[in-house]
Amino acid sequence: AQSVTQLGSHVSVSEGALVLLRCNYSSSVPPYLFWYVQYPNQGLQLLLKYTTGATLVKGINGFEAEFKKSETSFHLTKPSAHMSDAAEYFCAVRGSGTYKYIFGTGTRLKVLA
Amino acid sequence: DTAVSQTPKYLVTQMGNDKSIKCEQNLGHDTMYWYKQDSKKFLKIMFSYNNKELIINETVPNRFSPKSPDKAHLNLHINSLELGDSAVYFCASSQGVGTNTGELFFGEGSRLTVL
Repeated sequence: AQSVTQLGSHVSVSEGALVLLRCNYSSSVPPYLFWYVQYPNQGLQLLLKYTTGATLVKGINGFEAEFKKSETSFHLTKPSAHMSDAAEYFCAVRGSGTYKYIFGTGTRLKVLA
Repeated sequence: DTAVSQTPKYLVTQMGNDKSIKCEQNLGHDTMYWYKQDSKKFLKIMFSYNNKELIINETVPNRFSPKSPDKAHLNLHINSLELGDSAVYFCASSQGVGTNTGELFFGEGSRLTVL
């Protein structure tokens, strides 16, 4: 079975500051991990994904995430927040060979001017 | 050209009514999903079809009935609507599993309000 925990339902950062959104997962099989972003009244858009290979993955809009198997984590970072980054962010896991994508409860990112 | 499209985008209806939401994807994917997003933004998987075959059927009231006429379409029919059905329903598609490591592609959502 798979599950995802996102620590912090709300995160506020100042514009230009580091963004760190936390995600921990559990999976009984090798996981595929994803970060999605949802802007108000829109669907979810993929930011980045980890499948196999390099554990540091880069995504769109300057975001990146590092897969740490020993810590069962896949935290999302961005060096410098921009006002346009304000949105809801979801971490998701799918076990290899399974069809089910399980989502975390989401983290709302607020960027302060 | 929209990859995953849902209609309607908004539905407002009375308790007890029946409603349907339609979804179409033009990505050539084999697998389609329905997710429900509640007012707290929690996303819960409801159903999934792979090549028209039901493969995921979560604990959902049997008032909800999905139908997949072909692998590019997945519809959701809801009977006897209740207040608790108010939510945003998202359709999504993916290429499937096996060696594929692809992601979900989401539609824009259908906001259902039951009065």
